[in-house]
Amino acid sequence: DAGVIQSPRHEVTEMGQEVTLRCKPISGHNSLFWYRQTMMRGLELLIYFNNNVPIDDSGMPEDRFSAKMPNASFSTLKIQPSEPRDSAVYFCASSLQGVETQYFGPGTRLLVL
Amino acid sequence: GENVEQHPSTLSVQEGDSAVIKCTYSDSASNYFPWYKQELGKGPQLIIDIRSNVGEKKDQRIAVTLNKTAKHFSLHITETQPEDSAVYFCAASDSRADGLTFGKGTHLIIQP
Repeated sequence: DAGVIQSPRHEVTEMGQEVTLRCKPISGHNSLFWYRQTMMRGLELLIYFNNNVPIDDSGMPEDRFSAKMPNASFSTLKIQPSEPRDSAVYFCASSLQGVETQYFGPGTRLLVL
Repeated sequence: GENVEQHPSTLSVQEGDSAVIKCTYSDSASNYFPWYKQELGKGPQLIIDIRSNVGEKKDQRIAVTLNKTAKHFSLHITETQPEDSAVYFCAASDSRADGLTFGKGTHLIIQP
């Protein structure tokens, strides 16, 4: 069984550039989560979708961040324009329904120079 | 919102000994408490979880206890092995609209 798939695995970009991170949840899962992990702040929830609808986006840092889930098998997290403080590992996770039993992807390591 | 505190930040134990990691939470409405293990370069992996209607849950060498009155829960690993070395995260949620709130993590080191 394929787990949660994220791409790219690594991204290096320059300040001001647009960055798009991609996630394919586990087939049949109805809930999808985006998290950010840094040494200083740990694991933080950015946004949570249920049945492709954003349920809680209170963790999205600012307007430079946006997330979409156009269908049940694909989600994107976009940062425009990117800044050095956005450097982190971004994880996507999915679950059958709701916050319980979430399966995490391998993460995208983002470095903004 | 929910706040989860986790201790210790680093724990070193001899192989074969037990390890205990403790977490406290602030929101009395929280009713779901998972534990995740994260190995270097990988995403967190769910290892055990407990719901508020249960006080203890065991799965082989791993157990979790929950004290709702005191708002704290703990992870117990017995007969530790080298492959247990990783960062462990606790989390809490009220299973409604909010997602998981994570603790800051515990780096568990198993000394041979």
